[in-house]
Amino acid sequence: QTVVTQEPSFSVSPGGTVTLTCGLSSGSVSTSHYPGWYQQTPGQAPRTLIYSTKTRSSGVPDRFSGTILGNKAALTITGAQADDQSDYYCVLYMGRGIVLFGGGTRLTVL
Amino acid sequence: QVQLVQSGAEVKKPGASVKVSCKASGYTFTGYYMHWVRQAPGQGLEWVGWINPNGGATNYAQKFQGWVTMTRDTSISTAYMELSSLKSDDTAVYYCARDLGNNLPGYWGQGTLVTVSS
Repeated sequence: QTVVTQEPSFSVSPGGTVTLTCGLSSGSVSTSHYPGWYQQTPGQAPRTLIYSTKTRSSGVPDRFSGTILGNKAALTITGAQADDQSDYYCVLYMGRGIVLFGGGTRLTVL
Repeated sequence: QVQLVQSGAEVKKPGASVKVSCKASGYTFTGYYMHWVRQAPGQGLEWVGWINPNGGATNYAQKFQGWVTMTRDTSISTAYMELSSLKSDDTAVYYCARDLGNNLPGYWGQGTLVTVSS
């Protein structure tokens, strides 16, 4: 059973840069997985930040960026702000119509 | 703009069924898959499956096969997800989310809380 892996938690200072990653328990993440990233604050629906590896959703500031780093997808936040404190989820398309979410990373800005 | 409006919160007893609706507007309903995703209290996102409103084909996560049914009514641009034989650990917020055209969810509904309790 393939699992999508994310760091459970991360911390960044205001104004700092942080990179969250999204891997596979078996194999490498590539652009063929169309990696996506979502931001979620408590009590709210997820918000789509990045899709298809690096495309920002409408209205998402350019301090959020996505890429492939080595064998993982990565979300980088530059110039972190207090309201970036959220849960971040990655998602991968596994083929044959199957979608898998990562377990999420809780980002603290302090 | 794309809008997905879901039905209201439900409270069900164990063993019952629940049907959640998701009304779409702002785009051609039959042009994009509709995903369903759930989130148990304090937990992460879990993909349940999708329906192709154009024809009604479905694809369910293995875990949900046999007890989830996704349908749609194209005349009113509404997708439905029905879960049967509910258990307490089915208590979760259920989201519909329109596909972005890359087989992944992109536009999200507001969520529907389903509580299973005796």
